[in-house]
Amino acid sequence: GAVVSQHPSRVICKSGTSVKIECRSLDFQATTMFWYRQFPKKSLMLMATSNEGSKATYEQGVEKDKFLINHASLTLSTLTVTSAHPEDSSFYICSARDWAGSEQPQHFGDGTRLSIL
Amino acid sequence: AQKVTQAQTEISVVEKEDVTLDCVYETRDTTYYLFWYKQPPSGELVFLIRRNSFDEQNEISGRYSWNFQKSTSSFNFTITASQVVDSAVYFCALLNSGYSTLTFGKGTMLLVSP
Repeated sequence: GAVVSQHPSRVICKSGTSVKIECRSLDFQATTMFWYRQFPKKSLMLMATSNEGSKATYEQGVEKDKFLINHASLTLSTLTVTSAHPEDSSFYICSARDWAGSEQPQHFGDGTRLSIL
Repeated sequence: AQKVTQAQTEISVVEKEDVTLDCVYETRDTTYYLFWYKQPPSGELVFLIRRNSFDEQNEISGRYSWNFQKSTSSFNFTITASQVVDSAVYFCALLNSGYSTLTFGKGTMLLVSP
């Protein structure tokens, strides 16, 4: 089945650090990748939709300069949390959908638990 | 606007019991897709099923079964003979045709005790 790899799985760093999270589709080409944020015991909140070769589409209220997204290839999207602060601590999870169509299931990575001290 | 409601925040059962997780959705579209995902304590989301709006046939996969009823806008998920490994948060999600983003419910945490 479709596999999405997300790295790193856990990050602990100091306030002010920038953190990059990678999302890779291992056995399929993903024209579209999604980045979600999940607070404890809450649902997934879509942050942005990333299309290969174009600018990401951010959801309302998500700072594009804070959360930089790059989707340079059909198998890799990255999320960079710039100058992270404690309030950015959360569980970030990416998903990828292959080229076959928007109705195809999204396949999720294992998530990245980000803790900013 | 589209919306997914999972009214059950948390369900606790004893192993071998059957359990049904409810999902009610709202959409104005006639073509849409419904999904269930499982999120175990480790955090990853596991795809369980996709159902399109034109296919109301119920589906069974092992101990899992899904009941899709357009008349009540529901897409309920039943686990028979639950096991401890079924303990997880289960999310129901809706995708409207023409849109690329999923709308998730708030999730139901299922706790299966031995």
